[in-house]
Amino acid sequence: DVKVTQSSRYLVKRTGEKVFLECVQDMDHENMFWYRQDPGLGLRLIYFSYDVKMKEKGDIPEGYSVSREKKERFSLILESASTNQTSMYLCASSLRDRGLEGEKLFFGSGTQLSVL
Amino acid sequence: GQNIDQPTEMTATEGAIVQINCTYQTSGFNGLFWYQQHAGEAPTFLSYNVLDGLEEKGRFSSFLSRSKGYSYLLLKELQMKDSASYLCAVSDYKLSFGAGTTVTVRA
Repeated sequence: DVKVTQSSRYLVKRTGEKVFLECVQDMDHENMFWYRQDPGLGLRLIYFSYDVKMKEKGDIPEGYSVSREKKERFSLILESASTNQTSMYLCASSLRDRGLEGEKLFFGSGTQLSVL
Repeated sequence: GQNIDQPTEMTATEGAIVQINCTYQTSGFNGLFWYQQHAGEAPTFLSYNVLDGLEEKGRFSSFLSRSKGYSYLLLKELQMKDSASYLCAVSDYKLSFGAGTTVTVRA
């Protein structure tokens, strides 16, 4: 089974702190994604990556950056955390293929981040 | 951009059938996905439609009409474990999700 592991289940940070969320997948997937999930808004794409050292902005990249130095690891960085970044953050991965296999996402269990 | 609409909540009785509708307006289309998410857990893949028609997988079926921008997920013979959120997602080479429909199954 594909396993996507997020480093923390719950995280509490203060406004202005720099926050790192880590994600590791063990199935040699090329594509990796960061979403945030908020009640009533669903999952919104922050950033994604199709290859090592490559990144693309999603729908809501403001206030975030990412790093992908190794194929299996994709990090989300909040440069200066703010209270409106309190959310559930979900990492996902998929194969590079077109069609179903390339778009079937495997998700981590999520990190609930609270910014106080 | 993508605009994906689905009902917020639905309630049904164990053993019954529930149909979750999803309508979408998108700039491109490369397939429609349904995911299931139990409370506090990761979403998991349920179904994928890229052509018009019905895809059946056990108790779950998914339908797509591309001309109408419409899909539904049909859950049959409901069980308590089907209580979850169901997420409709449209692909334009990256997935955009609806807000999800929370289904509560009552005994």
